Amino acid sequence: GAVVSQHPSRVICKSGTSVKIECRSLDFQATTMFWYRQFPKQSLMLMATSNEGSKATYEQGVEKDKFLINHASLTLSTLTVTSAHPEDSSFYICSAIFLAGEQETQYFGPGTRLLVL
Amino acid sequence: AQSVTQLDSQVPVFEEAPVELRCNYSSSVSVYLFWYVQYPNQGLQLLLKYLSGSTLVKGINGFEAEFNKSQTSFHLRKPSVHISDTAEYFCAVSEGDYKLSFGAGTTVTVRA
Repeated sequence: GAVVSQHPSRVICKSGTSVKIECRSLDFQATTMFWYRQFPKQSLMLMATSNEGSKATYEQGVEKDKFLINHASLTLSTLTVTSAHPEDSSFYICSAIFLAGEQETQYFGPGTRLLVL
Repeated sequence: AQSVTQLDSQVPVFEEAPVELRCNYSSSVSVYLFWYVQYPNQGLQLLLKYLSGSTLVKGINGFEAEFNKSQTSFHLRKPSVHISDTAEYFCAVSEGDYKLSFGAGTTVTVRA
């Protein structure tokens, strides 16, 4: 079946640095990908919609200048957490829409755990 | 805007016993409904989904869910659980634009 990968799987960084997370659809093209955030013991919250070839659409309350999203190709979306702070520590999960004929399925990546010290 | 309520935050259950995870939603339009499972330190895996048609939906690993429009519910059931079913389960809704709103999750712990 369709597979979505994320890199890195976990990252530890110092406060004030920027971290880039990659989301790849391995065997299909995805014009639309989504970025979610999951705090410990909580549910996933949609951060933004990543559209290939156009600007990302951010959900209310998500700072677009802090969470930079680039969907440079049909198989890759990147999320850059700029000037990361400890409160940005979280589990970041991406998903991609897989189209097979008239069937549409959303596949999730395995997630990236970010720890900001 | 839609919202999802998972009524049970934790469900302990003995192996081979049945389990039901409750999910209620609210939306002003027709919705698509999903159940996902998340194993420790892993991403989400789709268990099943309701888009239209039969209100009883069968998914992977022996799970099934029933859509009840009048009660705005989409409860998940399994007649006999295994130790390997220990995980976090999320109910989610979409209004057709692929954006998912998730419930808070239910932690299922299966004991021998």
